[in-house]
Amino acid sequence: QVQLQQWGAGLLKPSETLSLTCGVSGGSLTGYYWNWIRQAPGKGLEWIGEINQSGSTNYNASLMGRVTVSVDTSKKQFSLKLNSVTAADTAVYYCARRLIGHWRFDSWGQGNLVTVSS
Amino acid sequence: NFILTQPHSVSESPGKTVTISCTRSSGSIAHNFVQWYQQRPGGAPTTVIFEDDQRPSGVPDRFSGSIDSSSNSASLTISGLKPEDEADYYCQSYGDNVVFGGGTKVTVL
Repeated sequence: QVQLQQWGAGLLKPSETLSLTCGVSGGSLTGYYWNWIRQAPGKGLEWIGEINQSGSTNYNASLMGRVTVSVDTSKKQFSLKLNSVTAADTAVYYCARRLIGHWRFDSWGQGNLVTVSS
Repeated sequence: NFILTQPHSVSESPGKTVTISCTRSSGSIAHNFVQWYQQRPGGAPTTVIFEDDQRPSGVPDRFSGSIDSSSNSASLTISGLKPEDEADYYCQSYGDNVVFGGGTKVTVL
């Protein structure tokens, strides 16, 4: 049973860079896209972007230019960086997995609350 | 990209049936599979329906999914409502981006 464990800084100031990492245990990186999804307080889910083992990425067009997703296959980890954060980026950030060719997110991390405040 | 529109909330008594709609704004609902997720307070979402009408193992058969091309919408039906079904439910599909609906709060009276 794959498990996703995520970590990163929880409090940022405006204009700083959000950085989160998700570690994968109990399964392979191969054959999947590894995703980041966020949820602002009291709001719905927003897809951020994804990466596969080869480093191929897809991003939400609304965040393009600020977001980078990367993968470290040796550590079985993938990471999210979001530049120039504002209060609007305050959210719970989840990592999640989907099988390539399918669009169901079948495993999720526990979520990290990231707060942007001066 | 398209938008998925869900009702903000639905409520019903235990044992009854609720149906949540998810209407696609443009393009055919049948063109891309729809998933449904349940999210309880403080928790991560979990899949209750994938690929329009498929139930993951462990999800009770009280949960069912369907699509209706005439209304360009997907639906999640929960029958025999139980208190533990009280949660937020999100539909999800994909096009140029992954798209989530705004979520529906299900209240068991």
